[in-house]
Parts: sequence; C-alpha cells; structure tokens
Amino acid sequence: AQSVAQPEDQVNVAEGNPLTVKCTYSVSGNPYLFWYVQYPNRGLQFLLKYITGDNLVKGSYGFEAEFNKSQTSFHLKKPSALVSDSALYFCAVRDMGGPKTIFGAGTRLFVKA
Amino acid sequence: GAGVSQTPSNKVTEKGKYVELRCDPISGHTALYWYRQSLGQGPEFLIYFQGTGAADDSGLPNDRFFAVRPEGSVSTLKIQRTERGDSAVYLCASSLNSGRDNEQFFGPGTRLTVL
Repeated sequence: AQSVAQPEDQVNVAEGNPLTVKCTYSVSGNPYLFWYVQYPNRGLQFLLKYITGDNLVKGSYGFEAEFNKSQTSFHLKKPSALVSDSALYFCAVRDMGGPKTIFGAGTRLFVKA
Repeated sequence: GAGVSQTPSNKVTEKGKYVELRCDPISGHTALYWYRQSLGQGPEFLIYFQGTGAADDSGLPNDRFFAVRPEGSVSTLKIQRTERGDSAVYLCASSLNSGRDNEQFFGPGTRLTVL
C-alpha cells in the first residue's frame, strides 16, 4: 500500500536561512510525487511535482524538491526562507493506479524574522 | 477564472442527522475528488469521479457516506446518520482529467461539526 511519512511535525528556521522539509514515501512502481502548502483558512495550493526526468524539481515561490529513488525521499527545500513561507506543508504520492493521492500528515513550518 | 467552490463553508449538525456538502469544480474539469481532513492530519482520499461515474470509491469509510455527480459537473457528498467522528474538513478538488500527472485544484473546504 502507498504511504507517505513526514517525520517532523514542525520545522523552525530563521528568515534568510535555508530550509528543508523532509518526506519519504512507499509505493509500488514509479511514484508521482507532489508538495502542497496550506495557509490558514485557505485551500491547499500546489507547489511542485516530480513525474520523471531531472531529480531536482523547481516549483512556485522559489521552492524546489529533490527526488532520491534509493532513499525513497522527496525533500522540499528553499535556499532562503521568508516569514511569509510559514504554513503547513504536505507531501503526497500517487502510484501507478491512477490519480488517487495519498498525503502525509503535514509539517508546520515557522520562519522567524 | 473561478476556482473550486464548496458550500457551505461551515456546517454544524447533531448526531444522527443527514448532511449534504456541495462542490462546484473548475469549469471544464472532468475529474472531481473528495478528501477528508481531520484535525492535525493530512487529507484522506474518499472518492473520485471521472465524468458522472465514480471511478474509485475505495476511501469511503462506510455505507453512511455516498457521493453523486449526476451531470458531470457539481458533486454532492452525502452523509447519513452523522456521528461525532465525522467531524472534519471535507475538501473537494478537480483536475482537467483523471491523468495521474494532473494537478488537482482544491477548494477551501467545508468544516463539518457533529455535536
């Protein structure tokens, strides 16, 4: 069965510092991987996806993620964090079966000024 | 253009009552998805439609939950004999089609509280 693990409930980082939000997955076949962000009282917003090709994927708002097949990881990164990046981040996976999406439990990111 | 809309934004009901939650997808999107997000958790897949038909309803927790999309656009999630454990935010999403690589666009959700 598909699963996604986000091992950190919360990540704290100072503004201007690099940030990493971790994600590992378990899926049969080649995974399709996604990151979404959720701001208070707003819907989930798509950040980026990995389908195939280059392991480093660039997305919205300066975020990027690196697909590592051997470690079954898809960590979200940003070189320089902003206070406005503070939000709840979800990693998600789809397997070969179709568009059914399995989400992780989420990681809350706090960026301190 | 308009995004995915969901009504009502909040619904408070009593245990045992029946509720309906509505989702209006983005115009032209043929695939529609329902998820449930409990407090402190990620969204949990319930069901998805391709057109009018339910293509995968494996996430519906039990037979009290049912969803329809009769004309291939608006969808209604129906919950019978609500229980306190049904309290959650119900999210709807739509995508251009049900291709595995398509981005799903999410609505703001309906917060259901069962007293």
